[in-house]
Amino acid sequence: KAGVTQTPRYLIKTRGQQVTLSCSPISGHRSVSWYQQTPGQGLQFLFEYFSETQRNKGNFPGRFSGRQFSNSRSEMNVSTLELGDSALYLCASRINTDGYTFGSGTRLTVV
Amino acid sequence: QKEVEQDPGPLSVPEGAIVSLNCTYSNSAFQYFMWYRQYSRKGPELLMYTYSSGNKEDGRFTAQVDKSSKYISLFIRDSQPSDSATYLCAMSEGPQSSYKLIFGSGTRLLVRP
Repeated sequence: KAGVTQTPRYLIKTRGQQVTLSCSPISGHRSVSWYQQTPGQGLQFLFEYFSETQRNKGNFPGRFSGRQFSNSRSEMNVSTLELGDSALYLCASRINTDGYTFGSGTRLTVV
Repeated sequence: QKEVEQDPGPLSVPEGAIVSLNCTYSNSAFQYFMWYRQYSRKGPELLMYTYSSGNKEDGRFTAQVDKSSKYISLFIRDSQPSDSATYLCAMSEGPQSSYKLIFGSGTRLLVRP
């Protein structure tokens, strides 16, 4: 079966711009989470959505937002990009308590 | 102090060696424990998942959890060059935190042919 699909794989944006990343979870998975991975901070939780509702949010500024659609697909948006937002953004989906399945990520570079 | 501590390595071992990877944690509310493997330019891949103290075995991999010591381990038997990757431990409190994962910083493993 298909895994977690993230698009695009790579993005280059300029400071001050905004960006939208997309995630399609595994079919049947209703929980989608987003994580930011950087060399300095490692993997950090951004937020989780379940049935179109945000259930938990990490310690990130309000510039980071997300949403989930009725088909469980999710998007995250970062506004007013800063150089420090350069990272690998990972989406993960879950159907029960048996751990999350991650996508390959979107590598965002802010210049 | 970080909630989850993990030695970043790198850890270099010869092919066939037994590898031991470890994490310690400070939050006694963690109930779910996972190990992920991440290859360069890829997302983390779930290797092992457990929610109780004790050992869990899957092929060449054994996960060990000691909740009283707040210590988890991953053992890899008969290590192969293809096991060279970064290994991440992850933990979750469970439903009360909507299964938010807290990750260790990852240990880089290199298995030499």
